[in-house]
Amino acid sequence: GNSVTQMEGPVTLSEEAFLTINCTYTATGYPSLFWYVQYPGEGLQLLLKATKADDKGSNKGFEATYRKETTSFHLEKGSVQVSDSAVYFCALKRSNTGNQFYFGTGTSLTVIP
Amino acid sequence: EAGVAQSPRYKIIEKRQSVAFWCNPISGHATLYWYQQILGQGPKLLIQFQNNGVVDDSQLPKDRFSAERLKGVDSTLKIQPAKLEDSAVYLCASSLIRKTSGSSYEQYFGPGTRLTVT
Repeated sequence: GNSVTQMEGPVTLSEEAFLTINCTYTATGYPSLFWYVQYPGEGLQLLLKATKADDKGSNKGFEATYRKETTSFHLEKGSVQVSDSAVYFCALKRSNTGNQFYFGTGTSLTVIP
Repeated sequence: EAGVAQSPRYKIIEKRQSVAFWCNPISGHATLYWYQQILGQGPKLLIQFQNNGVVDDSQLPKDRFSAERLKGVDSTLKIQPAKLEDSAVYLCASSLIRKTSGSSYEQYFGPGTRLTVT
């Protein structure tokens, strides 16, 4: 089947700390991988994506590399800010018909000044 | 470009009552999704439309949930009758479809409707 497993939170970091949120997936075929972010009171927003193995998605200082050998798509940021406090969701999209998305359970990040 | 619109933003009902949610996707987006997000969990797909046809409704509790997208644009999701475990945020999302392959681009989400069933 298709599924996404994220590291459990909540995660609390000091400003300028290094962030890693782990994500591993199980999928048939060759899925596309995504990170979505949900700020308090808002809907999910696409943060970055990668559509094939070894692709690196990046946006707003966040990066994630599609690792087929380890079936992972870990999210990283070198220096977090208070404004990065949000819930982060890893997701995959099947490459075959249907375009169905599968989401992880989310990881809550709080950055303290 | 206007985003995905949803209404209402909040709804409180008693169990066994009925409720309906509305979604207007981004103009031109052929695919529309309804998700249920229970507190502390990731979104779970309830139903997916492509234009006005259902692509996937395998996780929709059809004994109480229904959804329609009659003109291939906006959509409604209904729960009748509601149960306590239906308390969640209901998210609507939409995406474009690649004409060449039929695969979708990334999804754009609305702000969601927070349903509380008492």
